[in-house]
Amino acid sequence: DTAVSQTPKYLVTQMGNDKSIKCEQNLGHDTMYWYKQDSKKFLKIMFSYNNKELIINETVPNRFSPKSPDKAHLNLHINSLELGDSAVYFCASSLLRGSSYNEQFFGPGTRLTVL
Amino acid sequence: RKEVEQDPGPFNVPEGATVAFNCTYSNSASQSFFWYRQDCRKEPKLLMSVYSSGNEDGRFTAQLNRASQYISLLIRDSKLSDSATYLCVVKTSYDKVIFGPGTSLSVIP
Repeated sequence: DTAVSQTPKYLVTQMGNDKSIKCEQNLGHDTMYWYKQDSKKFLKIMFSYNNKELIINETVPNRFSPKSPDKAHLNLHINSLELGDSAVYFCASSLLRGSSYNEQFFGPGTRLTVL
Repeated sequence: RKEVEQDPGPFNVPEGATVAFNCTYSNSASQSFFWYRQDCRKEPKLLMSVYSSGNEDGRFTAQLNRASQYISLLIRDSKLSDSATYLCVVKTSYDKVIFGPGTSLSVIP
């Protein structure tokens, strides 16, 4: 019954490694997002995809590459991890059309720690 | 100036108190406004949308002042379970949504 799921929930890795976080939604939404919430709890959008197409790409290092194989999945791949990448990464989804308020439903988050 | 700003927290209030949170936004073309709630170590969840005429949902009342670019959330009769961080959210354009930094609320027995 999980609406937006992310794996893994926790990720601890060394600097310089490459890692991926997966996200899936079963709500039939057409838009998916990645957010980063740092230690100061500020939630910042990174990417937004609509029907597998990138529509928002905030100022994010190109070490971060989102991939959307279909509109129910949006994965995040991170190359050459740095200490500053440590944060909680949230995936979210919404309906871009047909909904007046575009409520975003969030996944449980992936807590990434880079050592 | 940040695009969405909120009261600095934390707010510590006794049970039964009324508490108000403020939020300002910088983009006058912003279209939609929301309050989200985030519990400790959990994901944000929509609390309520904010309508131009103001709206109420039980103990929660949201107000919007477009001229002043100001949004508020009033919580009456605070419960222990209201303890959380409250995020002001503004939709500025084609699906660009900006979250405020949040205001932390602790309701004390």
